Amino acid sequence: DTGVSQNPRHKITKRGQNVTFRCDPISEHNRLYWYRQTLGQGPEFLTYFQNEAQLEKSRLLSDRFSAERPKGSFSTLEIQRTEQGDSAMYLCASSHTGEGANVLTFGAGSRLTVL
Amino acid sequence: AQSVTQPDIHITVSEGASLELRCNYSYGATPYLFWYVQSPGQGLQLLLKYFSGDTLVQGIKGFEAEFKRSQSSFNLRKPSVHWSDAAEYFCAVAPAGTALIFGKGTTLSVSS
Repeated sequence: DTGVSQNPRHKITKRGQNVTFRCDPISEHNRLYWYRQTLGQGPEFLTYFQNEAQLEKSRLLSDRFSAERPKGSFSTLEIQRTEQGDSAMYLCASSHTGEGANVLTFGAGSRLTVL
Repeated sequence: AQSVTQPDIHITVSEGASLELRCNYSYGATPYLFWYVQSPGQGLQLLLKYFSGDTLVQGIKGFEAEFKRSQSSFNLRKPSVHWSDAAEYFCAVAPAGTALIFGKGTTLSVSS
């Protein structure tokens, strides 16, 4: 088990471009979460999946943000028409369901810089 | 709405001294409670968790935390801090069936 893997680790883009981040969770984990962390703040919950079903997406920051987990394994987070305010660390985490549902294992994150 | 407050933004402790990081939560029932640590360039690592039962929980790296329902608190403690403990510490609450809600974090510096 190699833990939660996120790619790319760093992304620099120009305002208005689209970016996509990928997360590969721990293989036996059914749940997958996306968080955003800005400087000096704690992680902010965005969305989560149980298998391929997206169970909560109301916290996505705007309609420019979308996430998928098509086969219940890896997930992607896409930001369209990026803005400078989107610059942040995007964290992915995974967990079991049931009693282990709240014990999250985090990846190292994908840092986005929007110029 | 559920929330987590970490009153101390930055704490400096001498190496070998004891440590207490404060955490208060707002939630109607007893939530699941967590402490995570984040070192520079590293992912968030779970230190300990409280679900139910004994209100004093032990975690990794010599940390412990005590749940006090009357004070809505879940403070993190360590008897003797090591220089390698310098990091950012996050308290989190998980209302039943939902994702973790994190506090803003406390940065710990360790002086020699």
